[in-house]
Amino acid sequence: GQSLEQPSEVTAVEGAIVQINCTYQTSGFYGLSWYQQHDGGAPTFLSYNALDGLEETGRFSSFLSRSDSYGYLLLQELQMKDSASYFCAVRLPSNSGNTPLVFGKGTRLSVIA
Amino acid sequence: DGGITQSPKYLFRKEGQNVTLSCEQNLNHDAMYWYRQDPGQGLRLIYYSQIVNDFQKGDIAEGYSVSREKKESFPLTVTSAQKNPTAFYLCASSMLRGEETQYFGPGTRLLVL
Repeated sequence: GQSLEQPSEVTAVEGAIVQINCTYQTSGFYGLSWYQQHDGGAPTFLSYNALDGLEETGRFSSFLSRSDSYGYLLLQELQMKDSASYFCAVRLPSNSGNTPLVFGKGTRLSVIA
Repeated sequence: DGGITQSPKYLFRKEGQNVTLSCEQNLNHDAMYWYRQDPGQGLRLIYYSQIVNDFQKGDIAEGYSVSREKKESFPLTVTSAQKNPTAFYLCASSMLRGEETQYFGPGTRLLVL
């Protein structure tokens, strides 16, 4: 089976740095993805880690450690518009094309002044 | 502009009624997906399709049906057998191989009268 665990809520101050963790129990997967979803909106892709290590995209970075079954999303220089839900997701192996993503339940980030 | 569209934005269902949610994409993606999202919850997979005229059940397929007669279209029918249909429904698409990102439509919010 597979499950992804994330904190349900995180609050951080504008301008600060916040880390959203994702731990997983799955026997194998292609990589770890992160999606952002604003209230009432559609999820949008943020980042993808195929290999262990850190991937940086502007203010956002994502990290994966397969040996520790752990990943995180790091948001720097927080802005009010970063208030949203953040989901980690994995794609399980398949011999017949892309399988659907398995999503965590999401972390609701609230950025306060 | 390439993208994925869903209609309607809001849909009301009466007891015992079947309703159909539309999903269209012009991204030339082979794979399409339907997810259900309940308040404060993650995304749960209903059905997915990797190729025209073929589809697979996801984790919560009971009470739903789909068709994939064209590559661009993947409509979802919420049948009267689905006893708790009130939710936010998201359609997504992706390439079949070689790309990790799923692209989501804006969603349809289904409410029961």
